[in-house]
Amino acid sequence: GAGVSQSPSNKVTEKGKDVELRCDPISGHTALYWYRQSLGQGLEFLIYFQGNSAPDKSGLPSDRFSAERTGGSVSTLTIQRTQQEDSAVYLCASSRQLGTGYGYTFGSGTRLTVV
Amino acid sequence: DAKTTQPTSMDCAEGRAANLPCNHSTISGNEYVYWYRQIHSQGPQYIIHGLKNNETNEMASLIITEDRKSSTLILPHATLRDTAVYYCIVRVATGNQGGKLIFGQGTELSVKP
Repeated sequence: GAGVSQSPSNKVTEKGKDVELRCDPISGHTALYWYRQSLGQGLEFLIYFQGNSAPDKSGLPSDRFSAERTGGSVSTLTIQRTQQEDSAVYLCASSRQLGTGYGYTFGSGTRLTVV
Repeated sequence: DAKTTQPTSMDCAEGRAANLPCNHSTISGNEYVYWYRQIHSQGPQYIIHGLKNNETNEMASLIITEDRKSSTLILPHATLRDTAVYYCIVRVATGNQGGKLIFGQGTELSVKP
């Protein structure tokens, strides 16, 4: 597609439930990134994928968070046993290639609300 | 932690140039300076990046000091639609050391009529 697509755009879930957030990067972009942004805060790096290399998971806040990228394209961020502090906008971005100096293209995000 | 320091907020009159400063005194020789902006309720948008030389594109100009310890993003004729949070980021852009952008708190630019 023309841009980075994220779904759902909004998700309300009960505390303790698992959620899956999806990201469709721009076709041909080999690098994919997940960030989250809590209300009124800056962007917090979570994880990135580059081709077949092992992902950089250094930003994942706990073992309740995991992400996969299948076939080098679509990525899913999973949050298990959601907590209220997980409420945030989860942003996905992609870029042509790691380390080429190209800018990222961000999606519009998924707003997650844990009640 | 972010390696940049920016003012929390700035105002600019519509039609005037907006000059947004950024300090990155610990920047390494292989790190680029990137600028992004985030308009309310949208994902961040790439603006421009540079290494040593000044850069210009259709959106903005980037002026980097000779010692590379600071830079300025210039929006030559600010419009109301330029109201956003502007992030200055340093990042290694080659090899496997790069990858993630670390965002600071940014500068909230308000363009006023």
